[in-house]
Amino acid sequence: AQSVTQLGSHVSVSEGALVLLRCNYSSSVPPYLFWYVQYPNQGLQLLLKYTSAATLVKGINGFEAEFKKSETSFHLTKPSAHMRDAAEYFCAVSDNSWGKLQFGAGTQVVVTP
Amino acid sequence: DTGVSQDPRHKITKRGQNVTFRCDPISEHNRLYWYRQTLGQGPEFLTYFQNEAQLEKSRLLSDRFSAERPKGSFSTLEIQRTEQGDSAMYLCASSSTGSGTNEKLFFGSGTQLSVL
Repeated sequence: AQSVTQLGSHVSVSEGALVLLRCNYSSSVPPYLFWYVQYPNQGLQLLLKYTSAATLVKGINGFEAEFKKSETSFHLTKPSAHMRDAAEYFCAVSDNSWGKLQFGAGTQVVVTP
Repeated sequence: DTGVSQDPRHKITKRGQNVTFRCDPISEHNRLYWYRQTLGQGPEFLTYFQNEAQLEKSRLLSDRFSAERPKGSFSTLEIQRTEQGDSAMYLCASSSTGSGTNEKLFFGSGTQLSVL
């Protein structure tokens, strides 16, 4: 069985500051890991995914995430927050190659001027 | 590519009524998924189709829930005898098997169900 824990349901960052969203997972097999973003009134959109090819994964909109097996973590970062980054972010894990994902509870990001 | 379309966007119903939601996936996608999202939680997997075959439905919440994809294109999710606990956002997603691993899911904007 897999599970995902996202630390912090709400994060507030200043524009231009570092964005750090934490995700820890549990999985009995090597996992596939994902970050999705949900903007208001829009569908979930894939930011990036870990496929075991590289531990540092770069995604869209300047986001990246690092897979750390020893810490069972897949934290999402962006060096400089922009107002348009205000959204809800979900970490997800899968133990297979298709679309049955286990999502975390999400982290709402607020960006202040 | 017009994206994944879900209809209706909002549905208000009375307890005990039946409701049906429709999902139109991206046209070339052969896989279709239903998820449910309640307030403050992430999406929860319900069921999955590959073409017209429903390959996993173990997560459908009760026998009041059923899903179909009769021609391998659009899908419907029906909830019979709705209960207040069914109030949630119902999400549809689609993907293509393509090269195989780590498929990218494309999500619709969802149908928000409110059961009074």
